[in-house]
Amino acid sequence: QTVVTQESSFSVSPGGTVTLTCGLSSGSVSTNYYPSWYQQTPGQAPRTLIYNTNSRSSGVPDRFSGSIVGNKAALTITGAQADDESDYFCVLYVGSGAWVFGGGTKLTVL
Amino acid sequence: EVQVTESGGGLVQPGGSLRLSCATSGFNFRSYWMTWVRQAPGKGLEWVANINQDESDKYYVDSVKGRFTVSRDNAKNSLYLQMSSLRVEDTAVYYCVRDCFGGASHWGQGTLVTVSS
Repeated sequence: QTVVTQESSFSVSPGGTVTLTCGLSSGSVSTNYYPSWYQQTPGQAPRTLIYNTNSRSSGVPDRFSGSIVGNKAALTITGAQADDESDYFCVLYVGSGAWVFGGGTKLTVL
Repeated sequence: EVQVTESGGGLVQPGGSLRLSCATSGFNFRSYWMTWVRQAPGKGLEWVANINQDESDKYYVDSVKGRFTVSRDNAKNSLYLQMSSLRVEDTAVYYCVRDCFGGASHWGQGTLVTVSS
């Protein structure tokens, strides 16, 4: 069974830079997993930030970027703002139509 | 503008059935894979099922196989999820999602399914 790992929580100072990661319990994440990233605030539907590793979704500020760092997918937020305080989820495509979500990272901006 | 709107959620007893619908507009529906994702209260996101453009490919998470059926009507730009033998652990907000490169590009606001006696 594929398990996708994310940091449970992270904090960043306003104006700072933070990198959240998305890994596999066994193996390395590559572009073949088409990693994507979503932002969700309480009570709201998720919002797509990044798809296909590093493609920014329409309307998403360029402060958000996706990449592969080492053996993980990464979401980097530069110039963090107060309204970036949210939950962030990644998902990996693992083949045969199946997606596996990570458990999410709760980002605090303080 | 791409719009995705779910409906059909509600309260159902364990063992019961429910059919979710997803109406879409603003894009060429018949050209896209579509997916259902759910989120249990206070929990993370879980992929449930997806379907290709002509319904020839359908995939399900193991926990719903044999109980849920995904379908679509390209003439009506609509996606469906027929849920049967519902369990308490199926309680969640169900999101209809337009696929993009193995992930989601657009999300609906979700519809809440509560399975309880």
